[in-house]
Parts: sequence; C-alpha cells; structure tokens
Amino acid sequence: AQSVTQLDSHVSVSEGTPVLLRCNYSSSYSPSLFWYVQHPNKGLQLLLKYTSAATLVKGINGFEAEFKKSETSFHLTKPSAHMSDAAEYFCVVSDGGNAGNMLTFGGGTRLMVKP
Amino acid sequence: DGGITQSPKYLFRKEGQNVTLSCEQNLNHDAMYWYRQDPGQGLRLIYYSQIVNDFQKGDIAEGYSVSREKKESFPLTVTSAQKNPTAFYLCASSPQQGWTYGYTFGSGTRLTVV
Repeated sequence: AQSVTQLDSHVSVSEGTPVLLRCNYSSSYSPSLFWYVQHPNKGLQLLLKYTSAATLVKGINGFEAEFKKSETSFHLTKPSAHMSDAAEYFCVVSDGGNAGNMLTFGGGTRLMVKP
Repeated sequence: DGGITQSPKYLFRKEGQNVTLSCEQNLNHDAMYWYRQDPGQGLRLIYYSQIVNDFQKGDIAEGYSVSREKKESFPLTVTSAQKNPTAFYLCASSPQQGWTYGYTFGSGTRLTVV
C-alpha cells in the first residue's frame, strides 16, 4: 500500500527566505515521488519527480527535493522564496504495485509568501 | 503543443440538471482521470480509464458518469443525483507507465450550482 503525508497544511515565509515543505511517504515497493504546484483556479503543474535515479532532484523555478529512504521523506526546498511561489503544493507517491498506475496525493500545503 | 484541454472553464448548473464537462488530450496517453477538488481540500478521484471503452469508479463516483469511446476524450457527466456538485473539476492523463511518468493535468472546470 502507498500513502503520503504532508506535515504542514500551511507554511508562511518572507520573500527572499528559504522554503521547506515537508512530505513523508509509505510504500511497499520502490516508489516514484512527485511534487506538483497549483496556483489559484489552475490545474496542477509538475515541479519535479524522483524515479530511482539521483536522490537529489532539481525541478523548475529553483525548487529541489531530496529522497531519503531511511527517513521515508521527500521534502521540497527552495533557497529563496519569491512572491510568485505562493500556491498550493502537493506531494505525490506511486509505486506501481497493487495500485498500478495510480498516484496517491497528499492533502496539500498552502505556501504564503510575505513581502 | 501537446496537452489536455478542459472546457468550459466555468459552468453553471441549475438544480436537477445534468451537465457534461469536456476533457480532450493530444498526448497519445492511454489513461485518463477525473478528480474533484473542494476548497482547502486535496484531490478526490471520481473515475479513471486505463484504456478505450473501459473505466473504473474512483472514491467518489456516486452521481457521476463517464464514457471513453475515443482515446483522446474522457467526458464527465454530473447528474442530478450528485447532491453537492459545486466544486473544481480536474482532468488528467498519463501513459501506461504513469506511476513513473506522473500525470498531466488540464486547467480545470469550475462548476457552480445556481
């Protein structure tokens, strides 16, 4: 079985400060992990994905995430927040096991960026 | 450019009416999905289809119906049996190995009951 938990429903940072959005997962197999971003009234856009290659994954807009198997974590980081980063972020897991093609979405973290 | 197109962007429905949300993709993806999103909540799966002429219920299929007559198209009908249809609806698609590829999402349809 696969599951994912986003540890914070809301995160607030000041512009120019680092961003950390936390995600823990559970999987019976070797998982694929994704982060998606959703701006208001828009669809979800893929930020980055991990699929058993390098454990540090770089994505778009300066975001990156590190896969840590021992901690079952896949936290999303960015060194310096920009106002345009304000959005909802979803951590997603899939392991191709009993769930097949199905992705399991976390509950989302709303990132607020203060000027 | 390839992608997924959802239409309309905004839709208003009167009580007791059926409405159909359109989802078309030109990515040559085999699988397609419908999700519902309510304010402050995550995504809930309504229906999905892994192949043409076949589809499965998701977690909240009651009051909804779908068809998959063409690979490119996966329309969702919100029937009058859906008691609380006001929500944001997202369509997505993936190739067969979606669990490593991820999903591509449309831009959504906001449905409001008036």
